[in-house]
Amino acid sequence: KAGVTQTPRYLIKTRGQQVTLSCSPISGHRSVSWYQQTPGQGLQFLFEYFSETQRNKGNFPGRFSGRQFSNSRSEMNVSTLELGDSALYLCASSFGTGGLSNYGYTFGSGTRLTVV
Amino acid sequence: KQEVTQIPAALSVPEGENLVLNCSFTDSAIYNLQWFRQDPGKGLTSLLLIQSSQREQTSGRLNASLDKSSGRSTLYIAASQPGDSATYLCAVRPTGGSYIPTFGRGTSLIVHP
Repeated sequence: KAGVTQTPRYLIKTRGQQVTLSCSPISGHRSVSWYQQTPGQGLQFLFEYFSETQRNKGNFPGRFSGRQFSNSRSEMNVSTLELGDSALYLCASSFGTGGLSNYGYTFGSGTRLTVV
Repeated sequence: KQEVTQIPAALSVPEGENLVLNCSFTDSAIYNLQWFRQDPGKGLTSLLLIQSSQREQTSGRLNASLDKSSGRSTLYIAASQPGDSATYLCAVRPTGGSYIPTFGRGTSLIVHP
C-alpha cells in the first residue's frame, strides 16, 4: 500500500513569506503528526491531528498552524518565515491516537524548507 | 518530563561486526518504544516497535530489547554491512497524557568496508 506522501520535497522561500506543506497519510490512518527536524534541536513535535481536530500542540509560535481534512490529508502553514525556520519538516501517520497509538508511526520523506 | 538519551552519538565500525545501540529513558511509564533509521536528508524508516508488555522484537538481523524497569532499550545489529550506515533513533511513547513520543538525538553509524 502507498506510504506517507509529503509534498513538495524541497522549497526555497524568502524571509517574510508564508509556506504550506502537505501530507497524505497511509490509507486508513486518521492521525497525522508534524515534526520539525534541525541539526541543533533534533526532532521537535509541532502538532497532531486526528479526525480533523488538533489533539496536541508543541511549543511553537502561532506562526505555525495546521489543519486536517475529512480524507485525513493534512497541511501545515508557516507564516512570516524566519531564517530559523529552515529545517526538514516531517509528517508521521498512525492508525489511532492516544490510547490507540499502539501501531507506531510511519513517516513521510519530509519537506526540506530553506529560508533565505 | 521524559528524557531520552542515545549513546554513543556516533559510531564507526568495520563491516561484519555485531553492534549494540543504546536508548535510555527517564520515565518507565511508557506505552511503546519504536526504533527508526534515517538516511541523510530523508525521512524516518520504522525498524521495530516494542509494546510495553513485550521484552524484545526481531526483524532479520535486527533485535530490539526493552527493559522498562531500568529505562533501557538496545538495538542489536548482527553482521553489520555498509548499507546499515545511517542514523538510528529511538522514540518513547508515554502512557497517558498526550501520548506524544519523545525522540532521542540518535546514533550516527558508519560501517566501512
